[in-house]
Amino acid sequence: DGGITQSPKYLFRKEGQNVTLSCEQNLNHDAMYWYRQDPGQGLRLIYYSQIVNDFQKGDIAEGYSVSREKKESFPLTVTSAQKNPTAFYLCASRWGTGEGAYSNQPQHFGDGTRLSIL
Amino acid sequence: AQSVTQPDIHITVSEGASLELRCNYSYGATPYLFWYVQSPGQGLQLLLKYFSGDTLVQGIKGFEAEFKRSQSSFNLRKPSVHWSDAAEYFCAVGAQNTGNQFYFGTGTSLTVIP
Repeated sequence: DGGITQSPKYLFRKEGQNVTLSCEQNLNHDAMYWYRQDPGQGLRLIYYSQIVNDFQKGDIAEGYSVSREKKESFPLTVTSAQKNPTAFYLCASRWGTGEGAYSNQPQHFGDGTRLSIL
Repeated sequence: AQSVTQPDIHITVSEGASLELRCNYSYGATPYLFWYVQSPGQGLQLLLKYFSGDTLVQGIKGFEAEFKRSQSSFNLRKPSVHWSDAAEYFCAVGAQNTGNQFYFGTGTSLTVIP
């Protein structure tokens, strides 16, 4: 079945450590996204990518980094510069790319990764 | 700027009762509107979407939503709630000049009591 796979489901970070969250999709979607979810704050966009080797900052990109070397993969690294990384992280993808033409396509979500600080 | 408001942080309904979750958006042109549901510890699942045409759209799990341009609203409804509907519900808007971005409301948590 096609879908989005996030791993691991739970992740723990030590002080000063970088950690990488995996997101893989086999839906042949062009655009991929990373969101952070905190209680009562909904979803906040960290980074998104419309095409391989290109990505844009979202609203809360500081302390995070991404890469998009393959269409199927969009890993997120939470760096030591992110001082409050404890949250639920969601990856999403969507068919279509570019301004306007595919704005009516919904996002599809993975099951999330919960990151905690040791 | 685009924005989505879900005025109700938490709603409690009895099983079998009707449900309406409110969503208001701010956008100058015709928006593309979505409702998602999230169970604890899970990702978001698409319930329904509105692009154009009939303003009453049907979704999965017996949900429907009505687009009212004059009120800038896209409220989610269900005639009879089941205990399994207890979850977090998110309204989202995408629009042509937002590129690939979506804007999500802060969510409404639904509790269903027997």
